[in-house]
Amino acid sequence: NAGVTQTPKFQVLKTGQSMTLQCAQDMNHNSMYWYRQDPGMGLRLIYYSASEGTTDKGEVPNGYNVSRLNKREFSLRLESAAPSQTSVYFCASKTDNTGELFFGEGSRLTVL
Amino acid sequence: DQQVKQNSPSLSVQEGRISILNCDYTNSMFDYFLWYKKYPAEGPTFLISISSIKDKNEDGRFTVFLNKSAKHLSLHIVPSQPGDSAVYFCAASGASGTYKYIFGTGTRLKVLA
Repeated sequence: NAGVTQTPKFQVLKTGQSMTLQCAQDMNHNSMYWYRQDPGMGLRLIYYSASEGTTDKGEVPNGYNVSRLNKREFSLRLESAAPSQTSVYFCASKTDNTGELFFGEGSRLTVL
Repeated sequence: DQQVKQNSPSLSVQEGRISILNCDYTNSMFDYFLWYKKYPAEGPTFLISISSIKDKNEDGRFTVFLNKSAKHLSLHIVPSQPGDSAVYFCAASGASGTYKYIFGTGTRLKVLA
C-alpha cells in the first residue's frame, strides 16, 4: 500500500544546479500538492494541481516550477537552486470525498 | 501574512492529562479545518477534521472545537499518552472552488510519562 511516494529522499546540490523532485500517488486522487517545511515556518504551499492538466501557485512559488505529468505524477523542479531552498519538501494528494490530504515521507534538500 | 496561526510553539503535558492545542485563522472564507500529526523524519498524518457547519467533532481521544465567531479552533487530546508526543499542525481550506490548504506553523507536544 504505497500511497504517496517521493524521490529522492535526500539530495545535496550546489548553488545554481537544477533538479526535479518526483512524486507519484496510487490512490487515484485528482488533487496533488507540494509543500516545504522550514523550522518555525510550518508547512508552506508551493504549488498545487486541482486536477490533471492544471497547476496553480501557492504561498511560496518563486524559484519553482511544476508539472502534472498525468493523474498519478506531480513533479517539482528547481531550475537554479539557491541556499534559501534548503528545506524538507512534502508531496501530498487529496481525497475527493473527505478532503483529507495524504503526505509522502518527504525529500530533504540541501543547497550549498 | 500568516492566515493560519499556532501561537504556542511547544507544550508539555503530563501523561493522562488533557492536551489543548490552539489555532487561529484570519480568513473568514475558510470552511474546512484539519489537524495533522507529524513525527520526526516522517510525513504528516491526518488526525481529525471539522467543517464550518459544525462546532465540534470527536474521534476517540481527539476532539476538535471550532469557534467561527472568534476564528479559533482547538484540538483536545484526552487522556494524553507518551506516543502523542509529536508536532501538530492545523490546516484550513477555503470555500468550494478552491483547493488551497494552508497550514499553521505547528505546536510541538511533549507528553511526559
